[in-house]
Amino acid sequence: DSGVTQTPKHLITATGQRVTLRCSPRSGDLSVYWYQQSLDQGLQFLIQYYNGEERAKGNILERFSAQQFPDLHSELNLSSLELGDSALYFCASNTGTTTNEKLFFGSGTQLSVL
Amino acid sequence: AQSVTQPDIHITVSEGASLELRCNYSYGATPYLFWYVQSPGQGLQLLLKYFSGDTLVQGIKGFEAEFKRSQSSFNLRKPSVHWSDAAEYFCAVGANQAGTALIFGKGTTLSVSS
Repeated sequence: DSGVTQTPKHLITATGQRVTLRCSPRSGDLSVYWYQQSLDQGLQFLIQYYNGEERAKGNILERFSAQQFPDLHSELNLSSLELGDSALYFCASNTGTTTNEKLFFGSGTQLSVL
Repeated sequence: AQSVTQPDIHITVSEGASLELRCNYSYGATPYLFWYVQSPGQGLQLLLKYFSGDTLVQGIKGFEAEFKRSQSSFNLRKPSVHWSDAAEYFCAVGANQAGTALIFGKGTTLSVSS
């Protein structure tokens, strides 16, 4: 158990809808990272938050947004969903500000857009 | 642009046999290199990392990796594979010195035969 909790584990929705994925980092970790894993693109970095502030952005679509709350949990919001958004979304956390420190991954949220 | 290539999509090894998973990277500066493992239904777990110093790095679960700058490689090895090693293995490179983005390879799936 990595200590990172993601909910829900599975999500099935329709095109055009909006969903929210939730992540609770390990106790004491200030950084939260979001990754998307798909068969064609592999693991893609989406966005990082550190202590409530956005720190880095990767290949995140404008239809996607995220935030980190004062209790350090994070939410990833996906809107106007398309079939191609179907993927496994991972959250990871660590104590520092960079991915050069060990990342602890949750078990992911499997999103299926029908 | 930074990139990571894992040439082997799928490898099957007999239990007790040795293992080598290949990883080649493209990065202009001194790389930060990682191997992560993903077991079915789980998030990724760090096996080992290389930042500097000794080019042979020891990790968890009996794995090691060797950094070869001249070949731009960071291959993962294990002398004797166990059935529990069956998983997907990802090589990753820190994309910049700040380490705010980690670029993953597409992964190599390891199957272990008895």
